[in-house]
Amino acid sequence: KQEVTQIPAALSVPEGENLVLNCSFTDSAIYNLQWFRQDPGKGLTSLLLIQSSQREQTSGRLNASLDKSSGRSTLYIAASQPGDSATYLCAVRHETSYDKVIFGPGTSLSVIP
Amino acid sequence: NAGVTQTPKFRILKIGQSMTLQCTQDMNHNYMYWYRQDPGMGLKLIYYSVGAGITDKGEVPNGYNVSRSTTEDFPLRLELAAPSQTSVYFCASRRTSGRLNTQYFGPGTRLTVL
Repeated sequence: KQEVTQIPAALSVPEGENLVLNCSFTDSAIYNLQWFRQDPGKGLTSLLLIQSSQREQTSGRLNASLDKSSGRSTLYIAASQPGDSATYLCAVRHETSYDKVIFGPGTSLSVIP
Repeated sequence: NAGVTQTPKFRILKIGQSMTLQCTQDMNHNYMYWYRQDPGMGLKLIYYSVGAGITDKGEVPNGYNVSRSTTEDFPLRLELAAPSQTSVYFCASRRTSGRLNTQYFGPGTRLTVL
């Protein structure tokens, strides 16, 4: 059974710092991995989607990497800003059962001005 | 496009009451999903649908029912509300094809069962 974990559960950094969020999954038979952002009281917004054949994806100050064989993904945020404060969740989609999407518990990020 | 809309935003139920959570999307997506999110936890899939008239169970379907009579609407029904169903419920939709087949989420319904 696929299990997704995220470390740390919460993170507080001063503005301007670069930071890394971690996501681990137990079953490497994934179709893709996605990083989402969730603001308090809101739904999820997709940030980056990495297909299983890819190693990384970049969007602006965000860079997500994927090491499928070791069951790990990282989300790198450069030059953090207070507006980056949110909960970040990773989710993996199964290789064959495309609708079996398993979410991690999320990392709550606070960027202090 | 409004995207994915959910109603109501908040609701308090008594044990044993029933209610329907509404979800509508205007993107002509075939796939729709219902998730629940408990505090400090990730999202868990309740039910999903791959098109009108077709639904299937997710990880945690017990205590819920769904129907999909149109492409746009995917209501979630709670028949006998229990305190364990206190949660935030998210509806999502996505296209069936394309490499960037991301899910689009609604704003959520916060349900409390007392």
